[in-house]
Amino acid sequence: ETGVTQSPTHLIKTRGQQVTLRCSSQSGHNTVSWYQQALGQGPQFIFQYYREEENGRGNFPPRFSGLQFPNYSSELNVNALELDDSALYLCASSRVHSGGAVTGELFFGEGSRLTVL
Amino acid sequence: GQNIDQPTEMTATEGAIVQINCTYQTSGFNGLFWYQQHAGEAPTFLSYNVLDGLEEKGRFSSFLSRSKGYSYLLLKELQMKDSASYLCAVEDSNYQLIWGAGTKLIIKP
Repeated sequence: ETGVTQSPTHLIKTRGQQVTLRCSSQSGHNTVSWYQQALGQGPQFIFQYYREEENGRGNFPPRFSGLQFPNYSSELNVNALELDDSALYLCASSRVHSGGAVTGELFFGEGSRLTVL
Repeated sequence: GQNIDQPTEMTATEGAIVQINCTYQTSGFNGLFWYQQHAGEAPTFLSYNVLDGLEEKGRFSSFLSRSKGYSYLLLKELQMKDSASYLCAVEDSNYQLIWGAGTKLIIKP
């Protein structure tokens, strides 16, 4: 139990649709990051939010967007879904030091498995 | 570009010792992490190295050589429950984690 919860756990969409995935961070954590993990691959960093602002982004197109709310929960939105978007989407929370450095230990949720048909 | 390399798959025997290697080339270095991921589950934190040397935590140890861009995870007294993927990740100069593809460890009785 990491204290990070994600919803939904599984969902199926069709190409061109939009999806919103949700994450509730562990108590006391002010940073949330999102990852895409394809089958048999390591997680790929999508973006990170700190104090409700995006403060880091991986190599993902703008149709991947997110939000962080004042209670540190977060959303990942993906527009115009493509078949290759089928993957496990992981949310992870962590703490940021006052100097801005992230403590590297991430606490992951169980993930949302997205299938695009 | 940034790159993390680790073997795709390893097999070991219950009760034995196995070493999983990881080499990295990243833009800056702020620490190296090992995570364990059982099939269908989220990764869980195992270890963190930021200085050269060996960090021991029970049956698991992790080693780092920053000059060589190299780390290994050592698992002793292997148990069947250790069958999982082991992910190496490096925190770069932007404090972003760059992940390897993971090493699938198969434990045989």
